[in-house]
Amino acid sequence: QKEVEQNSGPLSVPEGAIASLNCTYSDRGSQSFFWYRQYSGKSPELIMSIYSNGDKEDGRFTAQLNKASQYVSLLIRDSQPSDSATYLCAVTSLGTGANNLFFGTGTRLTVIP
Amino acid sequence: EAGVTQFPSHSVIEKGQTVTLRCDPISGHDNLYWYRRVMGKEIKFLLHFVKESKQDESGMPNNRFLAERTGGTYSTLKVQPAELEDSGVYFCASSQDRNTEAFFGQGTRLTVV
Repeated sequence: QKEVEQNSGPLSVPEGAIASLNCTYSDRGSQSFFWYRQYSGKSPELIMSIYSNGDKEDGRFTAQLNKASQYVSLLIRDSQPSDSATYLCAVTSLGTGANNLFFGTGTRLTVIP
Repeated sequence: EAGVTQFPSHSVIEKGQTVTLRCDPISGHDNLYWYRRVMGKEIKFLLHFVKESKQDESGMPNNRFLAERTGGTYSTLKVQPAELEDSGVYFCASSQDRNTEAFFGQGTRLTVV
């Protein structure tokens, strides 16, 4: 049974549109939630973290968390071609450190100029 | 400031051989993590060092894998003997504290033939 599930995509959006990336997790004890961006052949890079229900905004990025539904999402406003990458959802569980992460398989996003 | 560096970037070995992967964390980061991504699967946690001590090695797949961090600086991950299913990308990450952001290296792509 997968711990963290993501639609693998690919997800294609036109430049300037909103990209919506979704993630569900199975462990109700999950405490911390992260979105990483990974360009091809590069290291995963943390772009958002969220710990409580609701929305968290940072520039063009908004993370949304709903613990009751075990659902976390990432919205990218005004998508740019440079946002084209694989986006990885990751969670941690109660009793583990913030960096003992459970990852999803990632969603590949393509922003079309 | 140098990021997390991993050596080699690629390694191709025959089944039954031994391979040693190296990770140099960001200077001053006491926490070091190993992760692995096998083809088509999610990135999976292998283990976590705090300085030279293994804090959590629950993700190590079997006793063919040995991780060390002598002196609490760089870390090595040895696979002996390598099997075909060990092929994948091995990521290292480091963080200053257990719950602060972990920075990932670019990974070592291991291919066992």
